Amino acid sequence: IAGITQAPTSQILAAGRRMTLRCTQDMRHNAMYWYRQDLGLGLRLIHYSNTAGTTGKGEVPDGYSVSRANTDDFPLTLASAVPSQTSVYFCASSDSNRATGGYTFGSGTRLTVV
Amino acid sequence: AQSVTQLDSQVPVFEEAPVELRCNYSSSVSVYLFWYVQYPNQGLQLLLKYLSGSTLVKGINGFEAEFNKSQTSFHLRKPSVHISDTAEYFCAVSGKTSYDKVIFGPGTSLSVIP
Repeated sequence: IAGITQAPTSQILAAGRRMTLRCTQDMRHNAMYWYRQDLGLGLRLIHYSNTAGTTGKGEVPDGYSVSRANTDDFPLTLASAVPSQTSVYFCASSDSNRATGGYTFGSGTRLTVV
Repeated sequence: AQSVTQLDSQVPVFEEAPVELRCNYSSSVSVYLFWYVQYPNQGLQLLLKYLSGSTLVKGINGFEAEFNKSQTSFHLRKPSVHISDTAEYFCAVSGKTSYDKVIFGPGTSLSVIP
């Protein structure tokens, strides 16, 4: 089934550790996004990539980095995790440079930093 | 820049009753509008979207929404809800120019009571 695969599904991480959240799509979508979801705050954009080889900062980029070496993969890295990064992380993609088709979302990664 | 307000954080409703989830947006330019649904422990799914044309938009699972430009609203309605409609609903807005990002509201939790 075409879509987005995120891994891991959940993770408990010690503060100060490095962590990479994986995101892979098989729809050949150009644009990809990372959001974090926190209760009462909705979804906030962390980083995005309009096309392979390019990335940009979203609303809450501090403490996170991304890369887009190819069309399918868009990993999110926490260089040194802090408790405030405890959240549910969603990867999404869209097939054009306008949002006319809406976004396709992965199932999320639940991250707890202790 | 755009922003989205969802006036109700929680909406309880009895099974087979009608429901309306309210959404207002703010933007200085023309926008695309979306409703997404998130079932427990899942990612977001596109419910319906307004791009242009008819202001009444029909989506999946019997939901519909009406775009009201003068009131900058995009309320979601369903004439008769089912237990399976219990979920989090997100209103979202995007500008129409290239690479405009989708901005999500804080969400409304719909609880259908048997």
